[in-house]
Amino acid sequence: SQQGEEDPQALSIQEGENATMNCSYKTSINNLQWYRQNSGRGLVHLILIRSNEREKHSGRLRVTLDTSKKSSSLLITASRAADTASYFCATPGLSGNNRKLIWGLGTSLAVNP
Amino acid sequence: NAGVTQTPKFQVLKTGQSMTLQCAQDMNHEYMSWYRQDPGMGLRLIHYSVGAGITDQGEVPNGYNVSRSTTEDFPLRLLSAAPSQTSVYFCASKGQGQTGELFFGEGSRLTVL
Repeated sequence: SQQGEEDPQALSIQEGENATMNCSYKTSINNLQWYRQNSGRGLVHLILIRSNEREKHSGRLRVTLDTSKKSSSLLITASRAADTASYFCATPGLSGNNRKLIWGLGTSLAVNP
Repeated sequence: NAGVTQTPKFQVLKTGQSMTLQCAQDMNHEYMSWYRQDPGMGLRLIHYSVGAGITDQGEVPNGYNVSRSTTEDFPLRLLSAAPSQTSVYFCASKGQGQTGELFFGEGSRLTVL
């Protein structure tokens, strides 16, 4: 069963615009991760946010976590064509650790030049 | 630094045939895992290992076997392939600690006719 659910499923924006995607989850977590997957490639880790953190930045990425709403958002600022990819959130399974991550279905982002 | 290497990248099998997907990592990671990725289903954990000689089942283990004789290698075996096993398979590893990012291979696309 899916723990994380991203929305929107697909997002199309122009270069330079900001892209926001959301992830909701069902159970209590101690961390949440975001990954990027370019077409035909493996996933690449973007950022991990812990349950005691509300916001985290990495370059043009900003991740927020609201444990009361069981949701997280990933903001990509000043998007580029190279940001075109699918983005996934992942949360620990019932074990509470990252041995059995549960993945959302992803948001497909298209950044148009 | 090669990271996580998967072979083969593409494979076509007939129903009932057997094969092994190879995964090797050179980062001395204790944890290794296999996922399958299907449209509309997201990433699903097949098997994982927390060290040499230790393996455990994930969400969808049926039809797959694994073993971990060395820290570096974690092969995935399909004993009798079925069309339902047509998918893209990813191997991923991570270092010690309960959290931490996963490093993914580039994937192996398997088609079972």
